[in-house]
Amino acid sequence: GNSVTQMEGPVTLSEEAFLTINCTYTATGYPSLFWYVQYPGEGLQLLLKATKADDKGSNKGFEATYRKETTSFHLEKGSVQVSDSAVYFCALSAGGNTGKLIFGQGTTLQVKP
Amino acid sequence: DVKVTQSSRYLVKRTGEKVFLECVQDMDHENMFWYRQDPGLGLRLIYFSYDVKMKEKGDIPEGYSVSREKKERFSLILESASTNQTSMYLCASRTGTSGYNEQFFGPGTRLTVL
Repeated sequence: GNSVTQMEGPVTLSEEAFLTINCTYTATGYPSLFWYVQYPGEGLQLLLKATKADDKGSNKGFEATYRKETTSFHLEKGSVQVSDSAVYFCALSAGGNTGKLIFGQGTTLQVKP
Repeated sequence: DVKVTQSSRYLVKRTGEKVFLECVQDMDHENMFWYRQDPGLGLRLIYFSYDVKMKEKGDIPEGYSVSREKKERFSLILESASTNQTSMYLCASRTGTSGYNEQFFGPGTRLTVL
């Protein structure tokens, strides 16, 4: 079946450090891929998405490239800020009639000043 | 600004009680979802609804039911709460059925069952 695996957290970085959060997936067909972010005390919100191989999603300095050959969608940011501290979820939608999302387990990022 | 609201941020109930979690969206979205969020497990889909009076089971429907009498409101019901239903519950809505469309989430209800 379809599944998403994220790197274990928490990830602790100093401000202005480079961030990578790994995400790999298993899916039949050609899923759409997403990163959602959950700031403390809030619900999830969409960070970025990509629908086909080699697409790059980007938003707020974050980027992720849909790599079909490695079934990956790693999240990167060149210089993190304290305000980026949150839980990050990788997710896929395998299409079909429902377009259900399947989430990874989430990775907590803590950025220290 | 789009908005999904949930009736309570925190809720404490006793084992065996019937519990109602309410979710309202103001975006005229057709699709609505209920998830539970547990550490190390991410979000798991409990139920979803394509439209008014329509519902489908998600991945973990046991012990839950739902109601959607109006387009903007989607209720999650715990018929007889148990301690293993202590969790964070998140509601979401989405326009259309395309999996590519963004889901908009409420702030969550943290339910504790004693």
